[in-house]
Amino acid sequence: DGGITQSPKYLFRKEGQNVTLSCEQNLNHDAMYWYRQDPGQGLRLIYYSQIVNDFQKGDIAEGYSVSREKKESFPLTVTSAQKNPTAFYLCASASGRAGNTDTQYFGPGTRLTVL
Amino acid sequence: AQKITQTQPGMFVQEKEAVTLDCTYDTSDPSYGLFWYKQPSSGEMIFLIYQGSYDQQNATEGRYSLNFQKARKSANLVISASQLGDSAMYFCAMRGKVGNEKLTFGTGTRLTIIP
Repeated sequence: DGGITQSPKYLFRKEGQNVTLSCEQNLNHDAMYWYRQDPGQGLRLIYYSQIVNDFQKGDIAEGYSVSREKKESFPLTVTSAQKNPTAFYLCASASGRAGNTDTQYFGPGTRLTVL
Repeated sequence: AQKITQTQPGMFVQEKEAVTLDCTYDTSDPSYGLFWYKQPSSGEMIFLIYQGSYDQQNATEGRYSLNFQKARKSANLVISASQLGDSAMYFCAMRGKVGNEKLTFGTGTRLTIIP
């Protein structure tokens, strides 16, 4: 089945630790995205990548880092520099074609809690 | 800058009734796309329907339809014959001009279907 997988589903981290969230897709999509969702709010863009070996900062990139070494994978690292990392993290992918019709499809999400 | 406003934090609807979820938007881009997503308690964002700014007809997908009023900058989601499984958070989102990869999300509406 084609889709987007994220792991782990739940993640607990001690303050001062870096953690990496996994996102994999087998939809042959060029574009991938990371969003953060806080309670009672919509999603905010952290990073996105339109092609392998290239990525761009979103609205709230501080304290996060990404890599895009393979088309299928777009891992997100939450560093100790992120002041308030407890949130729900959603990965998405899209075909990457030009225009506004390019729909983003989402994975199941990872809930990160900092203890 | 783009902005999405969803003014209904929560709604309760009787099963089998139709429901309208409000969404207004603001953008200076002449070309844009509007999306609706459903987020059940599991957390995954499920794509429902898309409307392009130049589309002449309102979009429909099964029980979902989009009441697009461009002059009023509104893109309300209509769910016909509501079902218990429709209980979820619903988010309106917008994508602007080509090259602007971000989806801008509203704060969502929590819909509860009453048996």
